[in-house]
Amino acid sequence: DTTVKQNPRYKLARVGKPVNLICSQTMNHDTMYWYQKKPNQAPKLLLFYYDKILNREADTFEKFQSSRPNNSFCSLYIGSAGLEYSAMYLCASSLGTGGDEQYFGPGTRLTVL
Amino acid sequence: GEKVEQHESTLSVREGDSAVINCTYTDTASSYFPWYKQEAEKSLHFVIDIRSNVDRKQSQRLIVLLDKKAKRFSLHITATQPEDSAIYFCAAASSGSWQLIFGSGTQLTVMP
Repeated sequence: DTTVKQNPRYKLARVGKPVNLICSQTMNHDTMYWYQKKPNQAPKLLLFYYDKILNREADTFEKFQSSRPNNSFCSLYIGSAGLEYSAMYLCASSLGTGGDEQYFGPGTRLTVL
Repeated sequence: GEKVEQHESTLSVREGDSAVINCTYTDTASSYFPWYKQEAEKSLHFVIDIRSNVDRKQSQRLIVLLDKKAKRFSLHITATQPEDSAIYFCAAASSGSWQLIFGSGTQLTVMP
């Protein structure tokens, strides 16, 4: 099964409230990624886990948290949502590094009001 | 840091014609160049890639060309079919890096 699952598919949040998005894969991939995608823009890498090690991009370091309790699951946590967080959030996984094919989930569309 | 620019935001071709999507990158250390396809209401999926040790790669109707001197790579889809209609994203990564830098996508429409 090469499916990456994401829950929920749609999320409505209020400004200032927390948001938690979930991703899972059963391919035993070492690396899991979270991207933010806004309309007509490139997917932007927010952070990734290689095994248990979390790497966050410098410009999004304080905005997003993540946890990976086991190899299959990875979450993306926003402590206090702002309007600018409205976007599609894509989870992906790969066997190893960025030089390996990434398998993407269907995305979670987050709308912050 | 690396920037990947995808030059055509939209592209329309007639069924059976070829489509070409062009991308440029800025980091000379980039060595891995994948292409992803997103069909309507579906997630991105990998279609083809090329590494910097070659300048051409073909998989059925897909051809990827890489010009390292010009820091340019392109996706050629030959004998286009309606099911080729989708958004195509190019990306680049440095050797050993986890980070794929994506272009902003090209909406390809294949008209019957």
